[in-house]
This record gives sequence, structure tokens and C-alpha cells, in this order.
Amino acid sequence: AQSVTQLGSHVSVSEGALVLLRCNYSSSVPPYLFWYVQYPNQGLQLLLKYTSAATLVKGINGFEAEFKKSETSFHLTKPSAHMSDAAEYFCAVENRDDKIIFGKGTRLHILP
Amino acid sequence: DADVTQTPRNRITKTGKRIMLECSQTKGHDRMYWYRQDPGLGLRLIYYSFDVKDINKGEISDGYSVSRQAQAKFSLSLESAIPNQTALYFCATSDAGGRPGHNEKLFFGSGTQLSVL
Repeated sequence: AQSVTQLGSHVSVSEGALVLLRCNYSSSVPPYLFWYVQYPNQGLQLLLKYTSAATLVKGINGFEAEFKKSETSFHLTKPSAHMSDAAEYFCAVENRDDKIIFGKGTRLHILP
Repeated sequence: DADVTQTPRNRITKTGKRIMLECSQTKGHDRMYWYRQDPGLGLRLIYYSFDVKDINKGEISDGYSVSRQAQAKFSLSLESAIPNQTALYFCATSDAGGRPGHNEKLFFGSGTQLSVL
């Protein structure tokens, strides 16, 4: 079964610094991959998705992710962190049964 | 108004009680899902439905049941609640966009915080 692994349950970065949240997938076929964000006391919302059209995917709020088949990775980045980016981020994969399976999440803390 | 509405927002119940969580959507999507969120475990799929006559078990369906009453309504039941079912429950919808095997994005409700004492 396809799955994703997020490295680091908590990540702290200073305001203005690079944000890097790591996600690795396991899949024997090209996957559909997603990043979702959950702000406090809210449901999840889609940041971006990879559907094989392009390896570098741009999302909302300045985030982007790069699909690297050789590394089975789909890491999320943002050049300059903002206080409003503090949230929990989930990597997800769509499996062959059209189910979307989520990673365990990474909580991003922004330091002033 | 929210596109995906979950009721109640919070619920406290006792072990052994039957409880139902409800979800309704105005997006016109065929696909609906129930997930539970636990700290450190992310979201885990309980049940999902691709249309009114279709119900499928997810990763952790034991102890839960669902009913798809209409395209817009998908309810989750705990027949006999137990403390380890204490969690934040999310309903979500998606539209496959007419392309089998490819999901468009999920739209989530605001969640139901369930506590089982």
C-alpha cells in the first residue's frame, strides 16, 4: 500500500528563514501527492498537489514542493517564513483505491 | 455558510453510549470521507463513500459504522463508545472531476471533538 512518512513531528524556524518540511513516499507507481495545512481550530486545507504534470509544484501562500523520484521525496519549502505560517502540515498520497492517506503531520513553529 | 458542516462541534459522552456524528455538504460532491485525528498520529481514514450506494472501510473501521443517507449527508456512528475513541473527527468531500482514479482536493469540515469518559 502507498504511504507517506514525514520526518520531524515539530520544526522550528526563525521568522524570515527558509522553511523545509520533509515527506517521503512509498509507491510502486507514480503517485498523486498532496500537502495540506491545518491552522489552529480549523479543518485541513489544500496547499498544493502533484499529479505528474510538473515536478516543481507551486501552492498557495508562497509554498512549493518538488517531486524527486530518485529520492522518493516530496518536500515542502518556503523561502521566507512568516508568523502566520505557524500551523500543522500534512503530506498525503492518493492510493490505487482513490483513498487519500495522510502522514502523521509536522507542526511548524515560527520564532520571532 | 460552510460548504461542509459537521454537527456537533463538541461532544462528551460516557463509555457504552451510542453516538452519531453528522456531516452535510453543499458542494454537490459524490465522494465523502470520515477521518479521525489523534496527536502524533495524523489523520486516519475510518470510512469513505463514493456515491449513495457505495460504502467502504478505511484503515480503522472497527467500532464504527456509517450511513450515506443522501448525496449530501454522511453520518458516522459509534455503537458503543469507548475511551480510545476520544479524538477529533473530520468529515471531508471530494470531486473526482470526472476522471476515475484521480481525486481532486479534499474539502474538510471544521471537525467534531469527541470525548468518551
